[in-house]
Amino acid sequence: DQQVKQNSPSLSVQEGRISILNCDYTNSMFDYFLWYKKYPAEGPTFLISISSIKDKNEDGRFTVFLNKSAKHLSLHIVPSQPGDSAVYFCAAHDSGNTPLVFGKGTRLSVIA
Amino acid sequence: GAVVSQHPSWVICKSGTSVKIECRSLDFQATTMFWYRQFPKQSLMLMATSNEGSKATYEQGVEKDKFLINHASLTLSTLTVTSAHPEDSSFYICSARGIGGSRNEQFFGPGTRLTVL
Repeated sequence: DQQVKQNSPSLSVQEGRISILNCDYTNSMFDYFLWYKKYPAEGPTFLISISSIKDKNEDGRFTVFLNKSAKHLSLHIVPSQPGDSAVYFCAAHDSGNTPLVFGKGTRLSVIA
Repeated sequence: GAVVSQHPSWVICKSGTSVKIECRSLDFQATTMFWYRQFPKQSLMLMATSNEGSKATYEQGVEKDKFLINHASLTLSTLTVTSAHPEDSSFYICSARGIGGSRNEQFFGPGTRLTVL
């Protein structure tokens, strides 16, 4: 049973426009959510996170929205840049010191 | 964000030898470190969780006698692939989770590419 789902394996966006990456989860015990960016043959790079007590967190061009009732979160990147092209992973964990649960990732391509 | 380093970044070894990979949290103390493995075009697969000073917890299907994990300090964990075989060739990534106010954040190392001939 996949507890964290990223239903879009890929997304293409034009440079300058908004990229919206979506993530759904099933485990109501999750209380911390993170987004990572990953290039091939490199470790994931932490982008932004959000606690379950918030519904929005913003850091520069990146904003994460959390809708707890829908068990849904999204990452907005605006404006999108060609350097944003990578695989984006959504991850979550509960309040204990348990491992992150990852989605399968969404490959973002930003076209110049 | 916080920095996690891995050494070596790549290693080639002969079948039957053992390889040790180091993972260090450079600017924070990590009570918990995680080891992942990634196969081509697949997501990260969690191998084990290690807490400083205690034995690692291995995921189902991961041989603890083959993948030895030591977490002797709050800034260093090591993964030793013993008697490596070609099927152990993979990309190994460690990750560290902080303590106190940063306990929810988790940062990843750059990965180690292991090739077993």
